[in-house]
Amino acid sequence: QVQLQESGPGLLEPSETLSLTCTVSGGSMDRYYWSWIRQSPGKGLEWIGYVFSSGTTNYSPSLTGRLTISIDMSNSQFSLRMSSVTAADTAIYYCARGGALNLPDLWGQGTLVTVSS
Amino acid sequence: QSALTQPASVSGSPGQSIIISCTGTSSDIGSFDLVSWYQQYPGKAPQVLIYEVTERPSGVSDRFSGSKSGNMAFLTISGLQAGDEADYYCCSYRQGRTNNYVFGSGTSVTVL
Repeated sequence: QVQLQESGPGLLEPSETLSLTCTVSGGSMDRYYWSWIRQSPGKGLEWIGYVFSSGTTNYSPSLTGRLTISIDMSNSQFSLRMSSVTAADTAIYYCARGGALNLPDLWGQGTLVTVSS
Repeated sequence: QSALTQPASVSGSPGQSIIISCTGTSSDIGSFDLVSWYQQYPGKAPQVLIYEVTERPSGVSDRFSGSKSGNMAFLTISGLQAGDEADYYCCSYRQGRTNNYVFGSGTSVTVL
């Protein structure tokens, strides 16, 4: 079955760039949307953005300008880059399959990213 | 962008049925049959219970059911069990400046 796994640094200092990768195993990435979602401590879920297998992207209006989401089909991965992080970006970051008209149906286990000096 | 509105908490006794509401707008729930519900245990990733308003993925108990009326979606949990204690989130496609999806504020379910 399809599985997703996030990876990347867990601790960043303010103003640094967050970089996370999601590795997809057990299935094809083709013709699917792939999303990043985050959850701040004790809070709800927030959609960050998604990328289609073609490379087309769509970002949350509140975060656009700081975001780059890309896909590497040859390595079955997609990635998130978020620049100029602050403490407000501290959250568990999830990757998920889904986006646009296909709401997320499979999620990674999540990775905690803490922004602190 | 504003989240969909859910009650902060809902409780019930074992065996009872509870309903969790999710209030949106004509730009999301009211116009599209693209509503999902997720169950999240502490420290775990969300898992889909319902998709496309009423559909259940294979492996999800039929005690969970979804419905929609106007700008509101509903998750019903029948025959409440201790293992249903978790957080529940709705999610809907939203058409707007950027077509995307939006989550509900989350509901904590307590089994008394």
